[in-house]
Amino acid sequence: AQRVTQPEKLLSVFKGAPVELKCNYSYSGSPELFWYVQYSRQRLQLLLRHISRESIKGFTADLNKGETSFHLKKPFAQEEDSAMYYCALLSPGGKLIFGQGTELSVKP
Amino acid sequence: NAGVTQTPKFRILKIGQSMTLQCAQDMNHNYMYWYRQDPGMGLKLIYYSVGAGITDKGEVPNGYNVSRSTTEDFPLRLELAAPSQTSVYFCASSYLGLAGTNNEQFFGPGTRLTVL
Repeated sequence: AQRVTQPEKLLSVFKGAPVELKCNYSYSGSPELFWYVQYSRQRLQLLLRHISRESIKGFTADLNKGETSFHLKKPFAQEEDSAMYYCALLSPGGKLIFGQGTELSVKP
Repeated sequence: NAGVTQTPKFRILKIGQSMTLQCAQDMNHNYMYWYRQDPGMGLKLIYYSVGAGITDKGEVPNGYNVSRSTTEDFPLRLELAAPSQTSVYFCASSYLGLAGTNNEQFFGPGTRLTVL
């Protein structure tokens, strides 16, 4: 079964601290994975996708097929990073399977 | 481009009432989706459409209906509203190409629905 798991509902860190939001997936085949972010009172928007191997707003995510993980990392958190983060897996047929979401709170 | 638009932004319904949530996109996307977002539960797919005239059920379709008569519009219909349908509803669209191409989904601002 295709599944995305984000084990942490809430992650609270201080400004300047490193951040790692965990995401594990279950998928047979080559996965296409995304991180979406939802800032307060805003719509969901794409943060990054693994095929682009890009860094957006200082965030990176590496696909680890051996551990079936796609953790989101940032070396120095900023207060403006506070948001809800969703990991998502693209399933055949174009459907996105979302994890439960992790709320990141960056304290001053 | 307006992107993905949704109306209304907020609505309160009484049990048993019906309503239609509107969604439109102006990006000529072939795929459109409806999700509900419950606290701590992530986003659950209700229905989706791969093109005009074609719709299919997602993970939680019970109590909802959809239609896709045009590429641009994808309304979601609630019949006989129940308190369990209290949620935030998001519409999204994408242009689905081959694997490895840009399969980003674009989301609307959401509709907050309360059923009392």
